[in-house]
Amino acid sequence: TAGITQAPTSQILAAGRSMTLRCTQDMRHNAMYWYRQDLGLGLRLIHYSNTAGTTGKGEVPDGYSVSRANTDDFPLTLASAVPSQTSVYFCASSAVTSGGADTQYFGPGTRLTVL
Amino acid sequence: GQNIDQPTEMTATEGAIVQINCTYQTSGFNGLFWYQQHAGEAPTFLSYNVLDGLEEKGRFSSFLSRSKGYSYLLLKELQMKDSASYLCAVRDSNYQLIWGAGTKLIIKP
Repeated sequence: TAGITQAPTSQILAAGRSMTLRCTQDMRHNAMYWYRQDLGLGLRLIHYSNTAGTTGKGEVPDGYSVSRANTDDFPLTLASAVPSQTSVYFCASSAVTSGGADTQYFGPGTRLTVL
Repeated sequence: GQNIDQPTEMTATEGAIVQINCTYQTSGFNGLFWYQQHAGEAPTFLSYNVLDGLEEKGRFSSFLSRSKGYSYLLLKELQMKDSASYLCAVRDSNYQLIWGAGTKLIIKP
């Protein structure tokens, strides 16, 4: 079972260029998330989606946008990359039960370097 | 503000026991998670506590005290493969996870 896949695995991007990080899950989870992970800091939520067709802003949304056209895919777009967006990006998903969002499961990550 | 505190790094010996502490201050509480993350890999789920007390799962146990805003992860019979970062995360009143920076555990033979 694939679970959650992310692409690309790594990327070097020139500042000012745009890029879309892809995330696909096959677990039929309603909720999906994008995090960035930087050395010495905890995972920080960029954007999330509780169900297809809806998205919300997390702790650090500036410079990023997302869409959720269907249950499986949750792409993250950087419209005009800046060096401070150099990070490891993780996509995650979870089921949503009557008690709220369940355990989150993570994709393998995308290592992005903006020069 | 919301805050999750855990030690930056710990060292332990193969075969021993180690306890990794996590203290939290969050707006609301809807459960606490522990994840394991090996270098260069994704976090993987270890345990979940929502009620006070100890949850045991093989060599790993997790404890929660909601009144003290405190949890710990206990790893027994340490193996070299347990060398990893251990992340504490609290689910707040909005059902979003607030993450600690992680504890890097180094296992020595």
